[in-house]
Amino acid sequence: GAVVSQHPSRVICKSGTSVKIECRSLDFQATTMFWYRQFPKKSLMLMATSNEGSKATYEQGVEKDKFLINHASLTLSTLTVTSAHPEDSSFYICSASPSAGAVVYEQYFGPGTRLTVT
Amino acid sequence: DQQVKQNSPSLSVQEGRISILNCDYTNSMFDYFLWYKKYPAEGPTFLISISSIKDKNEDGRFTVFLNKSAKHLSLHIVPSQPGDSAVYFCAAWSSGTYKYIFGTGTRLKVLA
Repeated sequence: GAVVSQHPSRVICKSGTSVKIECRSLDFQATTMFWYRQFPKKSLMLMATSNEGSKATYEQGVEKDKFLINHASLTLSTLTVTSAHPEDSSFYICSASPSAGAVVYEQYFGPGTRLTVT
Repeated sequence: DQQVKQNSPSLSVQEGRISILNCDYTNSMFDYFLWYKKYPAEGPTFLISISSIKDKNEDGRFTVFLNKSAKHLSLHIVPSQPGDSAVYFCAAWSSGTYKYIFGTGTRLKVLA
């Protein structure tokens, strides 16, 4: 099956610093990638949709200047949490939709990144 | 406004018996519904999907039923196995918005 990786799997940073999370589709090209955030014992909340070569579309309530998304290639999207604060601590998950998907709703999820801001 | 709801946060079932996980939604414009399985600190894994024009889809031990008039879907796992213990999310997809809306999840524990 299609594989999506995320790096790092776990990161601890100090308040005020920035953290970059990478999402890669390893064996397929992804025109569209999605970034989700999951709070403990809560649902996955879509943060933004990124399309290769264009600006990301952010969901209501998500600060685009705080969560910078870059989708520079068909296999890589990055999420940068700028000036991180403890309330940004969460589990961040990306997913990728194949460019040549058999079904329009097809998405493959990465393993997630646990961010802890101290 | 939670468009997709899973009202049971947890469920315990004996091994070999049937597990039934439920999901309700409010938006009649959803085109597909999907079930995902998730372990802690991992990404969701796709289980099974159903188109909004169907009422049943079966794949091995997993069957999803859709009742459009009630805006309700359910996932049946028969027989349940200890390895099925995980959090199950239902998700709804809309071709209009091109995105998933996830439910709140149900933690299934299958007892050996």
